[in-house]
Amino acid sequence: EIVMTQSPATLSVSPGERATLSCRASQSVSRNLAWYQQKPGQAPRLLISGASTRATGIPARFSGSGSGTEFTLTISSLQSEDFAVYYCQQYNNWPPLTFGGGTKVEIK
Amino acid sequence: EVQLVESGGGLVQPGGSLRLSCAASGFTLSSYWMHWVRQAPGKGLVWVSRINSDGSTIIYADSVKGRFTISRDNAKNTLYLQMNSLRAEDTAVYYCVREDSGSYNFDYWGQGTLVTVSS
Repeated sequence: EIVMTQSPATLSVSPGERATLSCRASQSVSRNLAWYQQKPGQAPRLLISGASTRATGIPARFSGSGSGTEFTLTISSLQSEDFAVYYCQQYNNWPPLTFGGGTKVEIK
Repeated sequence: EVQLVESGGGLVQPGGSLRLSCAASGFTLSSYWMHWVRQAPGKGLVWVSRINSDGSTIIYADSVKGRFTISRDNAKNTLYLQMNSLRAEDTAVYYCVREDSGSYNFDYWGQGTLVTVSS
């Protein structure tokens, strides 16, 4: 099973600042990585697939990069609606499909 | 508009059974592979099971293999999860999730249904 590790667990950021979230895989997942956003009491929402392709309707301030074992989600200028928990998910080697433990982006 | 609406959650005793349903609308269910993903209270996301478009290929996480059964009725636009021999560690919100056209990532999620296993 591929283990996905996200860091940091919590990121405190001021509105308008840049946020950089990391996701590391225990072995290479090529570019078969997705990012999801989850707000309290809501279901997750797909942000990024293929490591860097934004899903339909996702603002350009969200960008993904990386390949192999190291990935980054960047939010260029945090808006109030971006404070949430973010999960990465690998789909290169499965079963099982595996998620990271999440990074909570909170208001500083 | 794509909608996935889960139902069937609730409180059940350890060893008991529950069947979850997921009503799909706004798209042709028979064209998509579907999944169940769960989330224990305050915890992260865990993949549970996947079923292909006609129900002929099914895969489970090891933690539920032999206890859970995923199925679908495309004529009724409904996905199911039969959960038997439930354990306390199965307590979670269960999400019905659509796979984005064979991509293995999840483009639409239901709102979830809470399953609580407790005596």
